[in-house]
Amino acid sequence: DIQMTQSPSSLSASVGDRVTITCQASQDISNYLNWYQQKPGKAPKLLIYDASNLETGVPSRFSGSGSGTDFTFTISSLQPEDIATYYCQQYDNLPPALTFGGGTKVEIK
Amino acid sequence: QVQLVQSGAEVKKPGSSVKVSCKASGGTFSSYTISWVRQAPGQGLEWMGRIIPILGIANYAQKFQGRVTITADKSTSTAYMELSSLRSEDTAVYYCARGIGGSYRFDYWGQGTLVTVSS
Repeated sequence: DIQMTQSPSSLSASVGDRVTITCQASQDISNYLNWYQQKPGKAPKLLIYDASNLETGVPSRFSGSGSGTDFTFTISSLQPEDIATYYCQQYDNLPPALTFGGGTKVEIK
Repeated sequence: QVQLVQSGAEVKKPGSSVKVSCKASGGTFSSYTISWVRQAPGQGLEWMGRIIPILGIANYAQKFQGRVTITADKSTSTAYMELSSLRSEDTAVYYCARGIGGSYRFDYWGQGTLVTVSS
């Protein structure tokens, strides 16, 4: 199975700061990488799909980049409502298997 | 607009089974796949498997092979996840989600069902 290493596991930043989270795959996954936001007690919410595509309705301060094994998720200007845990997710078709990264908890400093 | 509504919380004894439902509305149920993802308290997300209703085919994560059964009833647009031989480590919130696209992104999620395994 493909392993996803997400870092950092937590971070603290100020409102307006640029926040970056990385996800590394154990093998080449092309651009088959998605990013989610999860707030306490809620289901995850899709933010970025296929590594760099912004889901409809998601603010443009969220972005993603990368391909192959190394991926980056960025919040360009952290807002108080962005306090949440963020997860990356990859999918492998043969055989069907799906893995989430370990998550990054984002807090306000 | 797709909506996924799950059944309510369950409390189960170790060794028993639990069956959680996920009723879909909006879209065409048979045209997409439904996955089950669980989250233990304070932990991350874990994919359990998926069903392709139009084919009636299910795929399971290796960890859950032999213990989980995912089915779908096209007539009621409902997917089910049954987990057997429950143990305390299975205490978690179980989510259903619609998966689409090459990267199998989850664009719609159920509200989650808390399953508590306790003697």
